[in-house]
Amino acid sequence: QVQLVQSGPEVRKPGASVKVSCKASGYTFSSYGISWVRQAPGQGLEWMGWISDYNRNTNYAQKFQGRVTMTTDTSTSTAYMELRSLRSDDTAIYYCTKEPSGIEASGTFEHWGQGTLVTVSS
Amino acid sequence: DIQMTQSPSSLSASVGDRVTITCQASHDISGYLNWYQQKPGQAPKLLIYDVSDLVTGVPSRFRGSGSGTAFSITISSLQPEDIATYYCQQYHSLPFTFGPGTKVDIK
Repeated sequence: QVQLVQSGPEVRKPGASVKVSCKASGYTFSSYGISWVRQAPGQGLEWMGWISDYNRNTNYAQKFQGRVTMTTDTSTSTAYMELRSLRSDDTAIYYCTKEPSGIEASGTFEHWGQGTLVTVSS
Repeated sequence: DIQMTQSPSSLSASVGDRVTITCQASHDISGYLNWYQQKPGQAPKLLIYDVSDLVTGVPSRFRGSGSGTAFSITISSLQPEDIATYYCQQYHSLPFTFGPGTKVDIK
């Protein structure tokens, strides 16, 4: 069965960076994309961007352009999301989700990781 | 960006009640609409995709409908395990966007 297991909680100071990992199993990692979605405490869901291990394409939401980098490691079936220049309003749970396509971001999130809480505080 | 709105923001109903949540898109999104259920402390779960297709294992008391800019999800007979926040999401255009959520409680 499809499983996405994310790295543990992180605490960072404003201005720092964080890198969250998402290890996939139960499917052919290189055939599908991964989207990242975040959720601030008590708030709704926000799509951050997508990456495909199939063609190494990325598509970032304009809001995060220049601050986010998504990568993959085919050898370990792991996706990474790095967010830089952290601010207090980046405090959120960050989720990775498996996309049904590896060609382009398709936007249907059937499988989710357990989430990683990133806290930004001085 | 396409803005998604939902109403109500929260509701309280009795077990067995019929519950409907509406979702409005700021632009025509055709049928590119999904619904997610999120229980406290859990990741969201895809419930309905392509407006009205139930994910395998989702009870048939859930039904999605709509097209264009107006959509809805109906729970025909509310059960205690349906207590959750429900989000609609469009995938017609990037960036994918979610509604603000509707919190469903048992009265």
